[in-house]
Amino acid sequence: DAMVIQNPRYQVTQFGKPVTLSCSQTLNHNVMYWYQQKSSQAPKLLFHYYDKDFNNEADTPDNFQSRRPNTSFCFLDIRSPGLGDAAMYLCATSRVQGRYGNIQYFGAGTRLSVL
Amino acid sequence: AQTVTQSQPEMSVQEAETVTLSCTYDTSENNYYLFWYKQPPSRQMILVIRQEAYKQQNATENRFSVNFQKAAKSFSLKISDSQLGDTAMYFCAFVKGGGADGLTFGKGTHLIIQP
Repeated sequence: DAMVIQNPRYQVTQFGKPVTLSCSQTLNHNVMYWYQQKSSQAPKLLFHYYDKDFNNEADTPDNFQSRRPNTSFCFLDIRSPGLGDAAMYLCATSRVQGRYGNIQYFGAGTRLSVL
Repeated sequence: AQTVTQSQPEMSVQEAETVTLSCTYDTSENNYYLFWYKQPPSRQMILVIRQEAYKQQNATENRFSVNFQKAAKSFSLKISDSQLGDTAMYFCAFVKGGGADGLTFGKGTHLIIQP
């Protein structure tokens, strides 16, 4: 049973053409994260939502935006993708408190190619 | 800011052997969690084991155990009776406790289990 679902699994876009990646969760977690993982590198946090509060990392480019319309869904928007934005994008969720607090559960990722 | 260092880019062992992956970290926090995540090829990141910093007892999960040395800021993962399915990228990760911060990952260790 998939608990963090990312769509699509593979996305191809053209240089400069806006693209949106989707993440949904069935865990009812209050925090949702987006990470960028380039080939053979560690995931790097872009931003996260704690409930409705958006928290951007200081070095996340302005080209990256996010929306969280409700608890279950979170979107990553790339306004003008460049070749350097080709990567795997990972969505993760967690609950802050409780026995399993701070454990992050990951989706399978969306691999973005920019042509 | 915290850092996580994995000094072994790749390791290879025979099936059924025991292998230890190294991780060191640096932080000024007292309340934090450490994790080992497994990322199989083209598959999603899954939690292997979690250690709470305030607990002296080392965490264990079946064949997986950690050696947590808080003073030395060391957090190694031991895999006993290794199996072919253990072949994956292993990431050591840190998160500050009590909030919704994202994970800080090491660069990963590519573990290959040979038949």
